[in-house]
Parts: sequence; structure tokens; C-alpha cells
Amino acid sequence: SQQGEEDPQALSIQEGENATMNCSYKTSINNLQWYRQNSGRGLVHLILIRSNEREKHSGRLRVTLDTSKKSSSLLITASRAADTASYFCATVVNTGTASKLTFGTGTRLQVTL
Amino acid sequence: DAGITQSPRHKVTETGTPVTLRCHQTENHRYMYWYRQDPGHGLRLIHYSYGVKDTDKGEVSDGYSVSRSKTEDFLLTLESATSSQTSVYFCAIQTSGETQYFGPGTRLLVL
Repeated sequence: SQQGEEDPQALSIQEGENATMNCSYKTSINNLQWYRQNSGRGLVHLILIRSNEREKHSGRLRVTLDTSKKSSSLLITASRAADTASYFCATVVNTGTASKLTFGTGTRLQVTL
Repeated sequence: DAGITQSPRHKVTETGTPVTLRCHQTENHRYMYWYRQDPGHGLRLIHYSYGVKDTDKGEVSDGYSVSRSKTEDFLLTLESATSSQTSVYFCAIQTSGETQYFGPGTRLLVL
């Protein structure tokens, strides 16, 4: 079953605007990661936030994590046409043998000129 | 791309035939993963490996087997392909920082 669920499923904004995507999950996690996927390509890691962190920044990206609400958000500021892609959150649980990532269904972001 | 290649990149096969997909890495990472991606489901974990000859099942492992005889190669086999296994398959490696790096994917069509 899906651990992370993104909201909205699709988002269309104009260049220069901010884009916010949300992710909700169900169980305890070790960390949460956000990935980006351009059409027809593999996923690219954007940012990792650990369960004991509340906010993290990387360039134009800002991620928050609220473990009490089991939710995270990804904010892309000053969006560009090149940000057009699908964005996925992935919750991470470390088992005895490996880290298991469970992905949500993604948010499709369209940035228009 | 963290030195990950997948082969083949595209494959069309018929129901009932065996299919093997290969994932190759050049950086000797211990952990490797196979996912499938389908519309409306995101990525789902099929199998993963935590070392040579050490593998375990993921969320959707039925109908799939894996093997890892060398650090650099992780093979995914569909024993008898079905139309429900039509999908895009991604291999990933994990670094020590818990980040996963993905290969370019293999598009598989089972007729």
C-alpha cells in the first residue's frame, strides 16, 4: 500500500510563482525524501529530511516535516519552466537489512512562461 | 547518473516468455533495488539486495526473482511474463547517505 500520498495530483503555475506540494504518510519513518522525475527519465534525488528535523533548505527548495501530523511539504520558490516535472515524496524506514523507500503517486508540476 | 546503466532500455515480449533485466553499477555500492512504475501507483519496490547473494522481497515481488552474483550486477527475472507486468522498471543504488540514485529505466511491454 502507498505510504506517501501527494497533494495536489497536478499543479499548473506561471514562471516566477511559488509551487507547494504536500505529502502525507501513515507510519513512523526514519527520514523523508523528495525526488523529481522529468518525463521519460529516472528519478533524481532533491532533498532528504530526517525525522528529527523540521525544516530544510536547498537552493530554491524548502522542505518541512511535521511528524506529529505525518506530513511534509515541498516549496519551490521562483519557479522556472525547467522545473516542469513530476515530484515524488518517499518515506524511508530502515529495516535490519536495508532502507526501504515507499513512494507516493506524485505531483505533476507544469510551469508556463 | 551515479554510474548506473540498465539493459535493455526497451523490450517487447510475449506472454509466457521469461525476461531478464540487468542493472549494472560502476561504484561498488552495497545496496541495489528494483522498482516498477505504473500510472496511479508511483514507484513500488519489487526486490532489493544488501550484498552479493543477499536479496529480499519488496512490496510487489510475486512473479519476479532476482540474483546478484557480483557487486556490480543485479538481475531481475520475470519467470513467465504476463500483461500485468507491462511497466517501466527502474533500478536504484543507495549510497551511505541513504539517498537512492536511479537508472534510466527499462520500458517493458508484454503482449
